[in-house]
Amino acid sequence: NAGVMQNPRHLVRRRGQEARLRCSPMKGHSHVYWYRQLPEEGLKFMVYLQKENIIDESGMPKERFSAEFPKEGPSILRIQQVVRGDSAAYFCASSRDSPPGETQYFGPGTRLLVL
Amino acid sequence: TQLLEQSPQFLSIQEGENLTVYCNSSSVFSSLQWYRQEPGEGPVLLVTVVTGGEVKKLKRLTFQFGDARKDSSLHITAAQTGDTGLYLCAGYNTGGFKTIFGAGTRLFVKA
Repeated sequence: NAGVMQNPRHLVRRRGQEARLRCSPMKGHSHVYWYRQLPEEGLKFMVYLQKENIIDESGMPKERFSAEFPKEGPSILRIQQVVRGDSAAYFCASSRDSPPGETQYFGPGTRLLVL
Repeated sequence: TQLLEQSPQFLSIQEGENLTVYCNSSSVFSSLQWYRQEPGEGPVLLVTVVTGGEVKKLKRLTFQFGDARKDSSLHITAAQTGDTGLYLCAGYNTGGFKTIFGAGTRLFVKA
């Protein structure tokens, strides 16, 4: 049973370009969460999605960032016009059911470097 | 704003020693999780505690949830080099969807 998959594992972008991060949840999981981790820090919640719906995006910056989880295909976290401060590790997690208390399984992350 | 503070931030010990790391908050959580994260990887869930005063054991790891559900501890007995990693606590509260993470304790076990 494959775990949560994220690609690319590493992404380098120049300032002003777009970054697109993909997350395929575990089989049978319809809930996806995105987190950002800066060096030497814990994970910061960004957004929680179910299929075709954004449930909670309170942790996501209102400008330049967007997320989707279409009916078919992976969840996408999109960052437009990237800046150096966007450099971080972005983790996706998935769960079978909704919170509370539902175990979240994490992917290996995408490390974004903005030059 | 709910915060989880972890201590110590960094811990370096010899193989075979015991250690305890802490996770504290001024807020009450309905459940609390402990994760271990290795370099270049995502966090891996170790345990979830949900009842105040609960103690769970996972081989050499003992997890405790405070009676008031505001704090937790992780005790490792006879540490091994394979225990090296970043230990993260995360709290969840009903009524919302966010999981709040602490900044982590970075453990290094020397052979």
